[in-house]
Amino acid sequence: AQSVSQHNHHVILSEAASLELGCNYSYGGTVNLFWYVQYPGQHLQLLLKYFSGDPLVKGIKGFEAEFIKSKFSFNLRKPSVQWSDTAEYFCAASLNTGGFKTIFGAGTRLFVKA
Amino acid sequence: DGGITQSPKYLFRKEGQNVTLSCEQNLNHDAMYWYRQDPGQGLRLIYYSQIVNDFQKGDIAEGYSVSREKKESFPLTVTSAQKNPTAFYLCASSAPEQPGNTIYFGEGSWLTVV
Repeated sequence: AQSVSQHNHHVILSEAASLELGCNYSYGGTVNLFWYVQYPGQHLQLLLKYFSGDPLVKGIKGFEAEFIKSKFSFNLRKPSVQWSDTAEYFCAASLNTGGFKTIFGAGTRLFVKA
Repeated sequence: DGGITQSPKYLFRKEGQNVTLSCEQNLNHDAMYWYRQDPGQGLRLIYYSQIVNDFQKGDIAEGYSVSREKKESFPLTVTSAQKNPTAFYLCASSAPEQPGNTIYFGEGSWLTVV
């Protein structure tokens, strides 16, 4: 079955700690991969995306993600988190099933302690 | 400004009643989606449409119906058959022919069944 799995549902970090959020997808065909972020009280916005080329992609606010095809993974990283990174993070995969169907993971709630 | 408009933002419904959520986009996107967001479950795909007059069921289509008579509009009807309709509903659109196929979201509609 087609799915996106996020390994951590809740993460609590102190400021300046490093962050890595895991994401794996289950699909054998062509995929585009995304991380979206939802800050408290705001709607979803794109953090970064991968669709071709360099598997290491950089997004806004110092975030980056690496696509590892052999592991079906697209983990999100940030070397040093800030209190303002407190949000919910969603990994998504856009699957080429003849058209494009985008499915999301369950989300990871990140809380950064000041 | 280009974007996705969902209405109403808040809606209360009595059990046994159908309700229709509106979604309009002026981004000239071919693809449109409806997701349901529940705490701890991320975004689950209800229905999606790649082109006018065509749509496909997502992962949780039971109890919902949609239509796509115009490119700009993709209304979602929550029927009385939906067992647990109280949720936050997100409409989205994308341009699949563009590399990356980024999804853009509306601000959402809160539906409460009383």
